[in-house]
Amino acid sequence: ENVLTQSPGTLSLSPGERATLSCRASQSVSSNYLAWYQQKPAQAPRVLIYGASSRATGIPDRFSGSGSGTDFSLTISRLEPEDFAVYYCHQYGSLPATFGQGTKVEV
Amino acid sequence: QVQLVQSGAEVKEPGASVKVSCRTSGYSFPTYSMHWVRQAPGQNFEWMGWISTGNGDTKYSQKFQGRVTITRDTSATTVYMELRSLKSEDTAVYYCAREEANGRPDHFDTWGQGTMVTVSS
Repeated sequence: ENVLTQSPGTLSLSPGERATLSCRASQSVSSNYLAWYQQKPAQAPRVLIYGASSRATGIPDRFSGSGSGTDFSLTISRLEPEDFAVYYCHQYGSLPATFGQGTKVEV
Repeated sequence: QVQLVQSGAEVKEPGASVKVSCRTSGYSFPTYSMHWVRQAPGQNFEWMGWISTGNGDTKYSQKFQGRVTITRDTSATTVYMELRSLKSEDTAVYYCAREEANGRPDHFDTWGQGTMVTVSS
């Protein structure tokens, strides 16, 4: 299976700052079928980015995704108070689908 | 609007089975496949399996093969996940998540609210 490793585990930042999250795959992700999700406590995940760089419907343009092959990143250009959460990457190009272990963005 | 509404929390003894439902509404049922993913407390997401809501084809993670069955009821636009021979390590929140059935892999664009399953004697 394609193991996804996210870094850092925790990112301590302030509102208005830029956040850059990394996701590295153990094998090339087929056709860049990689998504990013945001999860807040006691909530289901919400998709932010799919296809490595396409924003999902309704997602603000401060969220952007990039990368290809085995290295991907999610950037939040200016953190808003509601952006403090846990972020997961997910590859869906091959089964079993796999997820990174998450990066917590905290104040 | 699109909704995936899961059944309520369950408490089961080791060795028992649990069946979690995911009732869908707001879209054409056969046009989206359904996956089941679980998240144990403090752990990562684990993909369990998938069903084509169109023809009922299924695929399961090797880890759960033989212990999990995913089915669908097209008239009720509901998908079910049954996990048997429960162990304490199966304590987790179980999610259904839909994927557009467009002939190529796609992301999970909508998730159910999650169902907490606790396995304890």
